[in-house]
Amino acid sequence: GEDVEQSLFLSVREGDSSVINCTYTDSSSTYLYWYKQEPGAGLQLLTYIFSNMDMKQDQRLTVLLNKKDKHLSLRIADTQTGDSAIYFCAEGNYGGSQGNLIFGKGTKLSVKP
Amino acid sequence: EPEVTQTPSHQVTQMGQEVILRCVPISNHLYFYWYRQILGQKVEFLVSFYNNEISEKSEIFDDQFSVERPDGSNFTLKIRSTKLEDSAMYFCASSEAGQGFQETQYFGPGTRLLVL
Repeated sequence: GEDVEQSLFLSVREGDSSVINCTYTDSSSTYLYWYKQEPGAGLQLLTYIFSNMDMKQDQRLTVLLNKKDKHLSLRIADTQTGDSAIYFCAEGNYGGSQGNLIFGKGTKLSVKP
Repeated sequence: EPEVTQTPSHQVTQMGQEVILRCVPISNHLYFYWYRQILGQKVEFLVSFYNNEISEKSEIFDDQFSVERPDGSNFTLKIRSTKLEDSAMYFCASSEAGQGFQETQYFGPGTRLLVL
């Protein structure tokens, strides 16, 4: 069945760039998403990319999509301590049906001052 | 900015009891969803709802679960007879549409359910 995989932990220093990687299996995914979950909080939509794009930039965030390898990455430039959170990759397939999201297990980003 | 809200934020219940988790989706959204996240595991899809009926459900969503839109603003998840393994964070989400750009799902803060 469909699956989304992410590494579980990433630790960076404040000011460095963070790159969080994700692989997925469903080649018919229409949209791919990054959600952020701060401790005790819900899932906050960070950004998304449509499957016919290979890059999307939004301020400090850059999403790269390699559809051939089914690889998605999220780059956070100038990482701040406030970026410490769990980042979830999710894929959505909306080909004609309501669609649900398939999530990865989440990558816990720790930012050291 | 409009947001999805959920109540209660935490619920503790005894095994076998019924619980109702409540959600208020974003007001102009038409599609509603429930997901759950067992501690340390992935966020899993439970059910989607549109036009007052279930659109899609996962194998987790068995006869113990039901959803309802009792009025124009609330969307509820009922667990009829809770089991220990129902302990999880339950997230509600809503989207404007089911296809295309508008289907991006916005999540509430979650209800943490603990079954003892």
